[in-house]
Amino acid sequence: KQEVTQIPAALSVPEGENLVLNCSFTDSAIYNLQWFRQDPGKGLTSLLLIQSSQREQTSGRLNASLDKSSGRSTLYIAASQPGDSATYLCAVLATSGTYKYIFGTGTRLKVLA
Amino acid sequence: EAGVAQSPRYKIIEKRQSVAFWCNPISGHATLYWYQQILGQGPKLLIQFQNNGVVDDSQLPKDRFSAERLKGVDSTLKIQPAKLEDSAVYLCASSRTSGSSHEQYFGPGTRLTVT
Repeated sequence: KQEVTQIPAALSVPEGENLVLNCSFTDSAIYNLQWFRQDPGKGLTSLLLIQSSQREQTSGRLNASLDKSSGRSTLYIAASQPGDSATYLCAVLATSGTYKYIFGTGTRLKVLA
Repeated sequence: EAGVAQSPRYKIIEKRQSVAFWCNPISGHATLYWYQQILGQGPKLLIQFQNNGVVDDSQLPKDRFSAERLKGVDSTLKIQPAKLEDSAVYLCASSRTSGSSHEQYFGPGTRLTVT
């Protein structure tokens, strides 16, 4: 059974720091991995999607990497800003059985001005 | 391109009452998902539709929850009767199921409080 874990559960950093959020999954048979941002009381916004054949994806100050063999993904945020404060969730699309997304519990990020 | 629409945004009901949520996916998206997100947790898939057929409903509490997707477009999720533990945000998402990408797009969610 696929399980997705995100560490740390919460993180508080001063503005301008570069930071790394971690996502690990137990079954390497995935179709893709997607990183989302969730603001309080809002839905999820897709940030980056990495196909299983890819190693990384970049969008602006965000870079996501994928290592299927070790069951890990990282989201790197460069030069963090207070506007980056949100909960970050990763989800894997499992290939076993039906194509179903399994989510981690998220990392709650606070960037201090 | 319009996003995923959901209504209502908020709903407060008493336990044992019924409630229904509505979702309109992005035009042309064949796959529609309903998730339940309890406070402090990641979203949990309740049911997944491909066009108007059910692909996965293994985690849907079928004694009280039901869902349908009429004509492969809009969808409704119903809870009857509601329990206190159903208090959560109900998220609808859609994706274009075509080859290389299953990227999901989410609606704003419906926050349900059961008292």
